[in-house]
Amino acid sequence: QKEVEQDPGPLSVPEGAIVSLNCTYSNSAFQYFMWYRQYSRKGPELLMYTYSSGNKEDGRFTAQVDKSSKYISLFIRDSQPSDSATYLCAMTGMTTDSWGKLQFGAGTQVVVTP
Amino acid sequence: EAQVTQNPRYLITVTGKKLTVTCSQNMNHEYMSWYRQDPGLGLRQIYYSMNVEVTDKGDVPEGYKVSRKEKRNFPLILESPSPNQTSLYFCASRLGLAGGYEQYFGPGTRLTVT
Repeated sequence: QKEVEQDPGPLSVPEGAIVSLNCTYSNSAFQYFMWYRQYSRKGPELLMYTYSSGNKEDGRFTAQVDKSSKYISLFIRDSQPSDSATYLCAMTGMTTDSWGKLQFGAGTQVVVTP
Repeated sequence: EAQVTQNPRYLITVTGKKLTVTCSQNMNHEYMSWYRQDPGLGLRQIYYSMNVEVTDKGDVPEGYKVSRKEKRNFPLILESPSPNQTSLYFCASRLGLAGGYEQYFGPGTRLTVT
């Protein structure tokens, strides 16, 4: 079983809709949670990161972490065609042994149609 | 411009022919890492380096070697490539333990081993 599970999609939504993405994980040591966006033929770029449980908002993006359920979410409000990309969740722990290792989800392909 | 560069961007080779993929960053980052990306599996870490002369295995190190003789460079070496190493490879860097979690990714190297 993978440590991080993410539905690969594709997820197709009309422009202006809310995009809801999520990941589940099994390792309770994970403390830092990140979301990356990857456009076709490009490297991933960091969108947001959160520490432990809670919410974080940045413009149209909201990240949520529920450590009790081992579940993280990313919401994109007022989606635009330019949001069409693959979104990857990533996470890591706090110990020196785990610090260097990011565990990624498989990525969810999002298509926003005009 | 702050960036991570990789070379070559595309490479087709034959089984057993040694190759090196170079990675360089101009941000004075301590931490560098190599990932491979395969459909349905997401990004998997191959090796990482916390600083010069300090390297450690990621989740899928078999068949790969790395070296970190200078802070800016982190080459990935495949001494005897095999077809199962056909993949999209990304190099990434970030500040280090005292820095943030934002990883800067290179543009990727698409490797095909026949």
